[in-house]
Amino acid sequence: DVKVTQSSRYLVKRTGEKVFLECVQDMDHENMFWYRQDPGLGLRLIYFSYDVKMKEKGDIPEGYSVSREKKERFSLILESASTNQTSMYLCASSATLRAGSNTDTQYFGPGTRLTVL
Amino acid sequence: GQNIDQPTEMTATEGAIVQINCTYQTSGFNGLFWYQQHAGEAPTFLSYNVLDGLEEKGRFSSFLSRSKGYSYLLLKELQMKDSASYLCAVTRNQAGTALIFGKGTTLSVSS
Repeated sequence: DVKVTQSSRYLVKRTGEKVFLECVQDMDHENMFWYRQDPGLGLRLIYFSYDVKMKEKGDIPEGYSVSREKKERFSLILESASTNQTSMYLCASSATLRAGSNTDTQYFGPGTRLTVL
Repeated sequence: GQNIDQPTEMTATEGAIVQINCTYQTSGFNGLFWYQQHAGEAPTFLSYNVLDGLEEKGRFSSFLSRSKGYSYLLLKELQMKDSASYLCAVTRNQAGTALIFGKGTTLSVSS
């Protein structure tokens, strides 16, 4: 079974703090993703990575950065947390689409509910 | 542009059949996914369609029409545990790596 784990289920931080959210997957997947999920807005892509040290901006990258030093680990960094970054953060991973394959299903971690006070 | 539309909420009773529709626009289609998400939990994969037609998997089926930019998820013999949000997602480009998600349809099943 694919397993994606996130470092914390719940996190409370103060405005201005630097926040690290860690994600680890054990399926040797090339691709990893960070989303945030807010009521009425659905899942929105923050950043994704298709290889070690590679990253691509998603729809809402402002205020965030990422790090992928090892294939299994993808970190989301809030450089200076703000109250509007209070949200549920979900990490996902997927294998790279290959010729003859018909799926690059994303598998999600349990999520981190971050509250910024 | 890229856009996904699905109804916000639906209600149904146990044992019934419900169809959740999804229409989409994307710059590079390479597949459509349905996920289920129970309250407070992560989304879990339900189905994947890349060719036109119906894919059946137990009580759940998913249909795709690429020419119409349309899909539906069909849930049969509804159970209380099917109360959840159902998310439609499509690939953003031909590489198929990243997805764009709809806002989800919250299904409430009552007895």
